[in-house]
Amino acid sequence: ETGVTQTPRHLVMGMTNKKSLKCEQHLGHNAMYWYKQSAKKPLELMFVYSLEERVENNSVPSRFSPECPNSSHLFLHLHTLQPEDSALYLCASSQDWGRANEKLFFGSGTQLSVL
Amino acid sequence: GDSVTQMEGPVTLSEEAFLTINCTYTATGYPSLFWYVQYPGEGLQLLLKATKADDKGSNKGFEATYRKETTSFHLEKGSVQVSDSAVYFCALSDLGQGYQKVTFGTGTKLQVIP
Repeated sequence: ETGVTQTPRHLVMGMTNKKSLKCEQHLGHNAMYWYKQSAKKPLELMFVYSLEERVENNSVPSRFSPECPNSSHLFLHLHTLQPEDSALYLCASSQDWGRANEKLFFGSGTQLSVL
Repeated sequence: GDSVTQMEGPVTLSEEAFLTINCTYTATGYPSLFWYVQYPGEGLQLLLKATKADDKGSNKGFEATYRKETTSFHLEKGSVQVSDSAVYFCALSDLGQGYQKVTFGTGTKLQVIP
């Protein structure tokens, strides 16, 4: 149990659907992250939130819309996705966002398939 | 920008064999270095880390030494077990624009056979 929970574990959606991914951390951390994991590619950082404020949007298309209502919850709203968006989406948290040696705690991810 | 290069897999070893997974990095600052492991169906977990040159990180029989002169952080284990089968990610962390930015390698899949 890493303390970071993601739902759903699997999601299949059409290109015209709207869906949301949910992440919850029970660790009292101040920073939360969304990563995209595609086969044979490095993990791609998508968004960083610190104390509910977005501090990084890593050139992510607007069809991905993050939301952080409080320091324990992070959402990724999806709409009009493309098949190339199919990937494993990982949520992570860390105690602090301002230090370089912080350990990241990851959830198990949501495996997304876009048809 | 920062980058991490690690050896391509998959790597297949027999139980009790010696493991080395190579990792080199490029960074403008003085990063911290990490190895994360991902077991099937799970997220990444921190395996070990080193925060400055010549530091050795170790955990569960795995070791890696921060070599600034060769910009490397190779992962080693003297005797692998079937339970070590997983994907291993080398990563570096630096402060970019005031926040921790972690750059990952592509991952190396390890399969240990009995």
